Amino acid sequence: DGGITQSPKYLFRKEGQNVTLSCEQNLNHDAMYWYRQDPGQGLRLIYYSQIVNDFQKGDIAEGYSVSREKKESFPLTVTSAQKNPTAFYLCASSPPAGKLFFGSGTQLSVL
Amino acid sequence: AQKITQTQPGMFVQEKEAVTLDCTYDTSDPSYGLFWYKQPSSGEMIFLIYQGSYDQQNATEGRYSLNFQKARKSANLVISASQLGDSAMYFCAMREARMDSSYKLIFGSGTRLLVRP
Repeated sequence: DGGITQSPKYLFRKEGQNVTLSCEQNLNHDAMYWYRQDPGQGLRLIYYSQIVNDFQKGDIAEGYSVSREKKESFPLTVTSAQKNPTAFYLCASSPPAGKLFFGSGTQLSVL
Repeated sequence: AQKITQTQPGMFVQEKEAVTLDCTYDTSDPSYGLFWYKQPSSGEMIFLIYQGSYDQQNATEGRYSLNFQKARKSANLVISASQLGDSAMYFCAMREARMDSSYKLIFGSGTRLLVRP
C-alpha cells in the first residue's frame, strides 16, 4: 500500500544523546516535512525538503538536523542541543501544491 | 506573517446533531489554501476538506462542509449528523503560494470535539 511509514512508534532519549527518527514514503512525492506537536497544541514545522539533496529550516529548527539523500527518505535527528525534545513528531509528504499526507507519528520521550 | 486561529479549545455535540468548528486566518497573499485535518487519539492526521482562495463555492466532502467567508477571513468546518467516531482533535491549516515554491502548511492550535451519545 502507498503511504508514509514512521519508525519507531516510541523512542526514548538519554541526556546528551542524539536520536534519529525514520520517515519513508512510497508516494513518489518530492516534498517532505517534519512537524513537532506538543500536548494539546498544534503542529510546528521543523524542517522541510522540496527535492532530493535540498532542505530548508522551518520555524523551530534549532536542535534538529535532517538529510534528504533519497526521494523516499527524510530522517530527522534530534540532537543533544535540543533541550526539550519530548513531543510527538509527525512526518508528511505532498505532491506540488497538494494536501499533506502524514505518517502515524513517533512519540519521543526523555529518560 | 500568516496565522491561523482556532478559538475553541474544546466542544461538545450531541450525536446526530451538527457542529461548527471555528477557524480564522490572516494572510496578505491573495493565493492560499485552507485545510482541515482530524487527529484521533491514535495520532495520525486525516485530511478532511480543502478550500482554495479563488474557489467560488464552499467545499463539501460527505458530512463535512467548509463555510468560507473570505472577507471575514474565516473558514469554519461544519460537521453534519455527528457520530461517536467524530470525537477527535480538529486542526485548521493554511498554505500560501510562496516565491520559493514551497507549500508548507501552518496549523492552528486545534479544537477537541467530543460527541455525546
